[in-house]
Amino acid sequence: GAGVSQSPSNKVTEKGKDVELRCDPISGHTALYWYRQSLGQGLEFLIYFQGNSAPDKSGLPSDRFSAERTGGSVSTLTIQRTQQEDSAVYLCASSSRDSLNTEAFFGQGTRLTVV
Amino acid sequence: AQTVTQSQPEMSVQEAETVTLSCTYDTSESNYYLFWYKQPPSRQMILVIRQEAYKQQNATENRFSVNFQKAAKSFSLKISDSQLGDTAMYFCAFMKTWAGSYQLTFGKGTKLSVIP
Repeated sequence: GAGVSQSPSNKVTEKGKDVELRCDPISGHTALYWYRQSLGQGLEFLIYFQGNSAPDKSGLPSDRFSAERTGGSVSTLTIQRTQQEDSAVYLCASSSRDSLNTEAFFGQGTRLTVV
Repeated sequence: AQTVTQSQPEMSVQEAETVTLSCTYDTSESNYYLFWYKQPPSRQMILVIRQEAYKQQNATENRFSVNFQKAAKSFSLKISDSQLGDTAMYFCAFMKTWAGSYQLTFGKGTKLSVIP
């Protein structure tokens, strides 16, 4: 596609339920990032995929969070047993490893509300 | 680990005036990229300007320019002739580029308000 696509745009879930957030990066981009942005705050790094390398999971806040990237393209961020503090906007970005084009392109984000 | 610090949580500027947003970073790397991103109320992150660490010349994009001081690890953004559409959150970001990793770290942001 033309840009990074995230779905759903908004998700309301009950505390304790599992949710899956999807990110479809720009075709050909080998790097994919997930960030969490709480209301009015900065971007908290969650996880980073680079090609076929092992992902950098150092930002995942707990073992309730996991992510995978299938076929080097689409990525899914899963939050198990959601808690109210998980409420935030989850942003996905992708970038090329071309040294002339390292810009990260962002999706519109998924706003997650845990009630 | 890399850290990015934006010391100004909020700033305001009169329309048509000039404003400078500050950013410092901490790294032991010599090769990296620096970015300023803008996030308007629509939530869409938009790249404003990019600087390669190996370039001494400061990047410029129309009304936006940076003051890159590599030794001081400082990367400030100057917005000239501020416009109402510049009202947004501005994030400074650092991308390391070594060992095949392009890890991208953001500061906490500066909320800029342009006043008519």
